[in-house]
Amino acid sequence: DQQVKQNSPSLSVQEGRISILNCDYTNSMFDYFLWYKKYPAEGPTFLISISSIKDKNEDGRFTVFLNKSAKHLSLHIVPSQPGDSAVYFCAASDDQGGKLIFGQGTELSVKP
Amino acid sequence: DTEVTQTPKHLVMGMTNKKSLKCEQHMGHRAMYWYKQKAKKPPELMFVYSYEKLSINESVPSRFSPECPNSSLLNLHLHALQPEDSALYLCASSRRLAKNPSNTGELFFGEGSRLTVL
Repeated sequence: DQQVKQNSPSLSVQEGRISILNCDYTNSMFDYFLWYKKYPAEGPTFLISISSIKDKNEDGRFTVFLNKSAKHLSLHIVPSQPGDSAVYFCAASDDQGGKLIFGQGTELSVKP
Repeated sequence: DTEVTQTPKHLVMGMTNKKSLKCEQHMGHRAMYWYKQKAKKPPELMFVYSYEKLSINESVPSRFSPECPNSSLLNLHLHALQPEDSALYLCASSRRLAKNPSNTGELFFGEGSRLTVL
């Protein structure tokens, strides 16, 4: 049972344009959401997070939006850069503390 | 540079071997984690240690045995593994487990140990 879903396995975007990565979840107990970026042969790197009490969090070129009623979050990267090319994982945390559930990942390719 | 160090980076072992994966962090984090990641799949939680005590075991087979000798070290002992256990094993740490608005819940991951079981 996949509690965190990223339905797009890949996304290709032109440099300078906006990248939008989507994530859906099913567990209403999730109250903290994170995005991780992963390059090949490396561990995931934390990018940005959002608490369920907010609907938006911004950090430089990265913005995460949360729609609790739809159980949906998205990561916006603008402007996209070739160095952003990586696999992006959405993750959610539940009340059991310390248990991060990851989505399947979306491979972003930013073309010059 | 990651502040979570995992060794070895690559390990090849037979099904009768006994080996260990090691993880070290010096960030003063009190929660440490083992995740398993297969190709094209998300990381899957295996174990969580909080203050050197095992707090979560995600029904992992006993051929995987975690150990937390102190707050900086986390080991994963491997014995009688199967070829399907071949995967990238990721160690992570975080400040603590408790839900606290000031705690971002951010996990710091190591680069992983790539395990191949023959």
